[in-house]
Amino acid sequence: SAVISQKPSRDICQRGTSLTIQCQVDSQVTMMFWYRQQPGQSLTLIATANQGSEATYESGFVIDKFPISRPNLTFSTLTVSNMSPEDSSIYLCSVSTGTQYFGPGTRLLVL
Amino acid sequence: LAKTTQPISMDSYEGQEVNITCSHNNIATNDYITWYQQFPSQGPRFIIQGYKTKVTNEVASLFIPADRKSSTLSLPRVSLSDTAVYYCLVGTPGTGGFKTIFGAGTRLFVKA
Repeated sequence: SAVISQKPSRDICQRGTSLTIQCQVDSQVTMMFWYRQQPGQSLTLIATANQGSEATYESGFVIDKFPISRPNLTFSTLTVSNMSPEDSSIYLCSVSTGTQYFGPGTRLLVL
Repeated sequence: LAKTTQPISMDSYEGQEVNITCSHNNIATNDYITWYQQFPSQGPRFIIQGYKTKVTNEVASLFIPADRKSSTLSLPRVSLSDTAVYYCLVGTPGTGGFKTIFGAGTRLFVKA
């Protein structure tokens, strides 16, 4: 299994600003994923982040809006840039070791 | 990635067995079936994973017929704390893991 922590757990931000979410895992993993979950909805995959290469974004998500870093095998960050109220959501980090594990999420409210 | 179809919601009572069926008609040969549980304000939690026939662990059983076009998650003797959203997912483990696409999930309500 894998234990994942995220920082911050929640935040309230003003529109036009940016927030960087950190994800730390307790073991080395090749693949990390970032998801978004809007209120009452299922999870939507934003991007896949492999160490040493650029992140791969899903349709509807772009690097300028959601830049991702993956400096090593246990850490990743997701930045939500130039935020608007529509970005209010829960952002979840996930890792895969054959089985996929999820962090507790970061609850973001944009005013 | 194979698409999954689940009931949107289910109701049950404490102590009953709950079976949630998931359809995945386009499952690929190398795909595994995985079920997750999610409580409000938490990330999804792995419940069980299987490839074929039956898998059982301390919290659930997973039944997969021979054609693998569907699967059934069985929760024995549910309690109020089992009220959650349950997701069925299908994917192929690759080198270092696999990408998972979530469907709508099944909202289970357990009543006293």
